[in-house]
Amino acid sequence: DSGVTQTPKHLITATGQRVTLRCSPRSGDLSVYWYQQSLDQGLQFLIQYYNGEERAKGNILERFSAQQFPDLHSELNLSSLELGDSALYFCASSKGASRNQPQHFGDGTRLSIL
Amino acid sequence: AQSVAQPEDQVNVAEGNPLTVKCTYSVSGNPYLFWYVQYPNRGLQFLLKYITGDNLVKGSYGFEAEFNKSQTSFHLKKPSALVSDSALYFCAVRDDGNTGKLIFGQGTTLQVKP
Repeated sequence: DSGVTQTPKHLITATGQRVTLRCSPRSGDLSVYWYQQSLDQGLQFLIQYYNGEERAKGNILERFSAQQFPDLHSELNLSSLELGDSALYFCASSKGASRNQPQHFGDGTRLSIL
Repeated sequence: AQSVAQPEDQVNVAEGNPLTVKCTYSVSGNPYLFWYVQYPNRGLQFLLKYITGDNLVKGSYGFEAEFNKSQTSFHLKKPSALVSDSALYFCAVRDDGNTGKLIFGQGTTLQVKP
């Protein structure tokens, strides 16, 4: 068990809808990262938050947004969903933001768009 | 730009035999390298990292990795494979900016046969 909790585990919705994915980092971890895993794109970094502030942005679509709350949990919001958004979305956390710290991953949220 | 390549989609090995999963990297400065393993329907589990120091890094579950600067490689190894080692393995490099984002290879499926 990594200590990173993601909810829900599975989400099935329709095109055009909006969903929210939730992540609770490991106790004491200040950094949260979001990744998308799909068959065609592999594992892609989306966005990073550190202690409530956005730290880095990757290939995140404008339809997607995220935030990290004062209690350090994070939410990833996906709107105007398209079929191509179907993927596994992972949250990871680390103590700080330095490059030598490993990230610990949750079990992911599997998003299926019908 | 940082990048990682895993040249083999799949590696097959018999139980009890040594295994190697290959990874090569391209970075602009000092490499911060990681190996992760993913079991079906689970998140990525951290195995080991290379930041600096000895070229042979020991990690979890009996895995080790050999860093070779001249060949820009970071191959994952294990002296004696177990059937339970069968999984998807990812090599990753840390971004060279002031963030912690990971750049992943495409993954290698390890199949250990009894």
